[in-house]
Amino acid sequence: EAAVTQSPRNKVAVTGGKVTLSCNQTNNHNNMYWYRQDTGHGLRLIHYSYGAGSTEKGDIPDGYKASRPSQENFSLILELATPSQTSVYFCASGDWGASAETLYFGSGTRLTVL
Amino acid sequence: AQSVTQPDARVTVSEGASLQLRCKYSYSGTPYLFWYVQYPRQGLQLLLKYYSGDPVVQGVNGFEAEFSKSNSSFHLRKASVHWSDSAVYFCVLSNNNNAPRFGAGTKLSVKP
Repeated sequence: EAAVTQSPRNKVAVTGGKVTLSCNQTNNHNNMYWYRQDTGHGLRLIHYSYGAGSTEKGDIPDGYKASRPSQENFSLILELATPSQTSVYFCASGDWGASAETLYFGSGTRLTVL
Repeated sequence: AQSVTQPDARVTVSEGASLQLRCKYSYSGTPYLFWYVQYPRQGLQLLLKYYSGDPVVQGVNGFEAEFSKSNSSFHLRKASVHWSDSAVYFCVLSNNNNAPRFGAGTKLSVKP
């Protein structure tokens, strides 16, 4: 069973502060993704990575940075957090296997920016 | 560009009734299509996927979906729903060259 672990589970931050959300996968998947979930928007893609050292911008990258220092770890960084970044963030890893890529999700991080 | 539309934000059905959740996609190439489910206070899990072959694909817990290239659709169906099917369902589009994109989701409520 693919395992993706996110930390922290909950985070309260102040406006202007720096926030780092962490994601670890133990399945040796090349692809990793960061999404945010907001009511009415589903999951929106923030950043993704195809392997260690690479990051790509998704559909809503403004205000976010990503870092993939190793195959296992993929972080999302909010340098200057704003209340509009209050959301639930999901990390996923992707396994192509023999067909289309299946995503394996972490349990999510609930971020509140005051 | 690729996009996914789920036109129904909320669907309510009675237990035992049949179900269809709609999904329309926009992509000029060969799509890979998925349905994921999110149970309350949990992460997301794969229900089923289509990438080639038979346009009707079977998933877990009695769910199936039918791919239609002519209609650009990938609707999810179930013959008889159970209260435990209450969840949010997401249609997802990807391909060889693009990261997966999600629809806005449909919240399913099953009345006892």
